[in-house]
Amino acid sequence: DTGVSQDPRHKITKRGQNVTFRCDPISEHNRLYWYRQTLGQGPEFLTYFQNEAQLEKSRLLSDRFSAERPKGSFSTLEIQRTEQGDSAMYLCASSFTEQETQYFGPGTRLLVL
Amino acid sequence: DQQVKQNSPSLSVQEGRISILNCDYTNSMFDYFLWYKKYPAEGPTFLISISSIKDKNEDGRFTVFLNKSAKHLSLHIVPSQPGDSAVYFCAAISGNTPLVFGKGTRLSVIA
Repeated sequence: DTGVSQDPRHKITKRGQNVTFRCDPISEHNRLYWYRQTLGQGPEFLTYFQNEAQLEKSRLLSDRFSAERPKGSFSTLEIQRTEQGDSAMYLCASSFTEQETQYFGPGTRLLVL
Repeated sequence: DQQVKQNSPSLSVQEGRISILNCDYTNSMFDYFLWYKKYPAEGPTFLISISSIKDKNEDGRFTVFLNKSAKHLSLHIVPSQPGDSAVYFCAAISGNTPLVFGKGTRLSVIA
């Protein structure tokens, strides 16, 4: 399967704990995006990378969130000191530069108790 | 301020009939529009897209229409099949900005 993959698919954690999610984009896609989706809403942009450079961050991305793409391939999204409001589906997408279509992974569903 | 609006949260259609999903946008800078389909517990799957220089794009049973003057686009599915039952998201993009999504419309195709 050469699509976007995400790990884990589900994560349950207690409030205050740190969590880290991983995204492996479609190979050779140089753009990688993180979105968050809550119930009844469409996906909302968090941040994106072109190769290893983080080019844009949404105001939704508080200081507790950090994302990396160290070698321009896979990316990680870490949430420190999780809060119940962080419960959501975290989606990763990738694309070629200058290509508008983004391809999404299956998402990581986070539940903070 | 929601830049992409899908005003119908849900739609029910009989199998074999046409499904029409609507989307309105407010940002005139948007130059590319996409439709995604999403099943529960899965990521969105790309369906079809249209550039702002076109007014129609067709791919099999799916056709997207764009009316720039009205800032409106629609997705037509014909004939509708039970497997089309899912949540459909309209998304828009301007240049290299991230996608802006609507809230989605849940389509139920009844056999």
